[in-house]
Amino acid sequence: QKEVEQNSGPLSVPEGAIASLNCTYSDRVSQSFFWYRQYSGKSPELIMSIYSNGDKEDGRFTAQLNKASQYVSLLIRDSQPSDSATYLCAVISAGNMLTFGGGTRLMVKP
Amino acid sequence: NAGVTQTPKFRILKIGQSMTLQCAQDMNHNYMYWYRQDPGMGLKLIYYSVGAGITDKGEVPNGYNVSRSTTEDFPLRLELAAPSQTSVYFCASSELSSYNEQFFGPGTRLTVL
Repeated sequence: QKEVEQNSGPLSVPEGAIASLNCTYSDRVSQSFFWYRQYSGKSPELIMSIYSNGDKEDGRFTAQLNKASQYVSLLIRDSQPSDSATYLCAVISAGNMLTFGGGTRLMVKP
Repeated sequence: NAGVTQTPKFRILKIGQSMTLQCAQDMNHNYMYWYRQDPGMGLKLIYYSVGAGITDKGEVPNGYNVSRSTTEDFPLRLELAAPSQTSVYFCASSELSSYNEQFFGPGTRLTVL
């Protein structure tokens, strides 16, 4: 059973702080990793993708991948109330289809 | 570009009824997908298609059927609706493969009573 695990939260951080979202996956052959953001009542939208070990930065977002530990994370710097959403980790495994985690709800308090 | 569109937005069905959820995309994407999302859960893949005339099962296909007669359209058919099919259904598309960004439609909220 291929699984993607996330803490459901909510993760509460004050405005301006760094939010750290974590994800673990069970399939060692996984090669591609994605973070989607989903506002309440809306559809998911892609915010980051990462394919190699290490860090990938895009504006206030940094994705981190450690394939040896089967761990991927998303850091949001200078968190804003508009970042309050559910963040879905998604992994492409054998079969070449996306498997989603259950999502972590982030709340950024002014 | 409208992107990915879905109809209807909301629907209430009685147990045993059937319906078709419509999905269309105007981005000329080859890959299309149907997911369901239960409250507080991630998305689970129901069916996908890699091109017109080609469909395949995902993780949770039981109780559903799909067809792909054109590149643009990918309808999802529910036969004999059951309360377990109460969920939010999302259609998505991607350009060349599942490795590309998936673009999601606005979703259909379905309740089976």
